[in-house]
Amino acid sequence: DGGITQSPKYLFRKEGQNVTLSCEQNLNHDAMYWYRQDPGQGLRLIYYSQIVNDFQKGDIAEGYSVSREKKESFPLTVTSAQKNPTAFYLCASANPGQRGYTFGSGTRLTVV
Amino acid sequence: EDKVVQSPLSLVVHEGDTVTLNCSYEVTNFRSLLWYKQEKKAPTFLFMLTSSGIEKKSGRLSSILDKKELFSILNITATQTGDSAIYLCAVDSYNNDMRFGAGTRLTVKP
Repeated sequence: DGGITQSPKYLFRKEGQNVTLSCEQNLNHDAMYWYRQDPGQGLRLIYYSQIVNDFQKGDIAEGYSVSREKKESFPLTVTSAQKNPTAFYLCASANPGQRGYTFGSGTRLTVV
Repeated sequence: EDKVVQSPLSLVVHEGDTVTLNCSYEVTNFRSLLWYKQEKKAPTFLFMLTSSGIEKKSGRLSSILDKKELFSILNITATQTGDSAIYLCAVDSYNNDMRFGAGTRLTVKP
C-alpha cells in the first residue's frame, strides 16, 4: 500500500546534539513538507520541497535543515541551534491539485 | 501576514449534541480550504472546499465555505465519542504552502 512513513516514532535528544528525522513516501508525490506541532499552536511549516534537489524555508526554519536528494525521501535535521526542539513533527506529501496532503504518523522529539 | 484562526480552541459536549467549529482566514492567493481530523498521530482528510456556498457532506459531518466573509464552518450532528479529536482547518494557497489554524479540541462525553 502506498503511504508516507516517518521514523522513529519517539526520539530523545540531549541538548547540543543534532538529530535527523526520517520521512519516506512511495506515493510518487512531487512535493513534501515538514511541520511542527506544539500544543495550542496547530501546525507550523518548517521546510517544503516541490522537486528533487530544491527546497524552501517555511515560517520557522531556523535551527532546522533538510535535503531532497531523492523524490521519495525528505529528511529533517534538528540542529543544536534550535532552542526549543521538543515537539511533534509531521511530514506530509502531495501532488499539485491533489485533494489535501497525506501525512505521516509523526515523530515526537523530546530534549532531555 | 497570512493567518488562519479557529474557534473555539476547545469544546466539550455530550453524545447526541450538534457542534459547529469555526475557521476564519486571511490568506493571499487563496486556492482551497481543508478540514482535517487528528485523533492521535496523523491528520486525516475530511473536506476540501474551493467554492462559496456549496456544502460538502460526509455522513454526520458537513462543511461550507464563504469566500466573501473569509470563513468556513464544520458541523457535526448527533456527535459520538468517536468524534473526539482535534479538528484542523488549513488554507492552501498558490504560494505553494498550506497554513494551519491552531485546531479545535473536541471532547464528546458519553
